[in-house]
Amino acid sequence: NAGVTQTPKFRVLKTGQSMTLLCAQDMNHEYMYWYRQDPGMGLRLIHYSVGEGTTAKGEVPDGYNVSRLKKQNFLLGLESAAPSQTSVYFCASSYYRTWGRSGTDTQYFGPGTRLTVL
Amino acid sequence: AQTVTQSQPEMSVQEAETVTLSCTYDTSESDYYLFWYKQPPSRQMILVIRQEAYKQQNATENRFSVNFQKAAKSFSLKISDSQLGDAAMYFCAYSDGNKLVFGAGTILRVKS
Repeated sequence: NAGVTQTPKFRVLKTGQSMTLLCAQDMNHEYMYWYRQDPGMGLRLIHYSVGEGTTAKGEVPDGYNVSRLKKQNFLLGLESAAPSQTSVYFCASSYYRTWGRSGTDTQYFGPGTRLTVL
Repeated sequence: AQTVTQSQPEMSVQEAETVTLSCTYDTSESDYYLFWYKQPPSRQMILVIRQEAYKQQNATENRFSVNFQKAAKSFSLKISDSQLGDAAMYFCAYSDGNKLVFGAGTILRVKS
């Protein structure tokens, strides 16, 4: 049971280049998330998905696209990278709670990807 | 929109002593979840403790406990018998069942 994994762990891009970050989870979780972490700002939600084939915008979605073609995978794409997208990116997943207050519960995080855009 | 505030950017504690990290949040919901996550230098986000708002009893996990004051919208983390391995960034987070909202974090330094 690997939990949540992210590929790659590190990446350096030039301005204008594109790339895709891959997140995979083997816990059969419904919900998946992409965050970015910048110094002094905690984690901010970019996009999330409440199930296969669905995506929704978070707090800072501009410049990013996502896809969830399979339940276990959640892809984050940068079409034209900018220096402002230099950050650490985290993927997370959670199960859907159907008792008590329904909805997402504890989120489990991947190890993160450090992206530098020059 | 919900917000989470951690007013202590940095805290220090002597090994074996107790430290409390503060967190306040703002919400109009009556049912929600609160979390403390630990982020050591390895960067991995690790769940420390979780509290459901409808439960009056404060959550505890070994040396970690919370003081949940729902009316005051306060959710502090107490670490007892601090160890060198507790040194990390600690994030308080709020969830209304859909998304997590994080505070800016508190760096905890443990002195030997």
